Amino acid sequence: AQSVTQLGSHVSVSEGALVLLRCNYSSSVPPYLFWYVQYPNQGLQLLLKYTSAATLVKGINGFEAEFKKSETSFHLTKPSAHMRDAAEYFCAVLHSGGYNKLIFGAGTRLAVHP
Amino acid sequence: NAGVTQTPKFQVLKTGQSMTLQCAQDMNHNSMYWYRQDPGMGLRLIYYSASEGTTDKGEVPNGYNVSRLNKREFSLRLESAAPSQTSVYFCASSSNRNRNTEAFFGQGTRLTVV
Repeated sequence: AQSVTQLGSHVSVSEGALVLLRCNYSSSVPPYLFWYVQYPNQGLQLLLKYTSAATLVKGINGFEAEFKKSETSFHLTKPSAHMRDAAEYFCAVLHSGGYNKLIFGAGTRLAVHP
Repeated sequence: NAGVTQTPKFQVLKTGQSMTLQCAQDMNHNSMYWYRQDPGMGLRLIYYSASEGTTDKGEVPNGYNVSRLNKREFSLRLESAAPSQTSVYFCASSSNRNRNTEAFFGQGTRLTVV
């Protein structure tokens, strides 16, 4: 069975500081991995996705993630946090059984303070 | 471009009442999904539809029914609402031509069962 684990349900950073949100996956087949962001009272929006083309994936709003097979990780980073980055972030893996079903992690709420 | 549209946005039900959540997408996607979001649990798949005329159970289908009315519309019905179904419900759609295509989400329906 496939799964993702997000370490840390809440992360707090200062504006301008590095953002690091952790995601580890479990998969018996090469995974397709995604990061989504959810702003308050909104739906989910895709930040970036890993599809085996390149291990370092760049997404929107300055975010990027690196796929590390040896560590089964797909951590999300941003060099300098902005206040507008405050949101909930979800890591997800595509179910190997087909039909593009996503399996989500529990989410990490990012707070950015001045 | 409307994307995925859900109605209603908010709903309060009494225990035992029934209701249908509506979802429509205008992206000509084959696959549609219903998820529920609960604090600390991420998003869990309730039902999905790989194509018009087909539906399948996801991770938490008990207490729900679905109907894929046509390619655009996928509704979720609660026949007899229970307090445990208090949640935020998201509809999503994706193209299933490739396995790495992302899902697009609606704005969500916040349901409270009292």
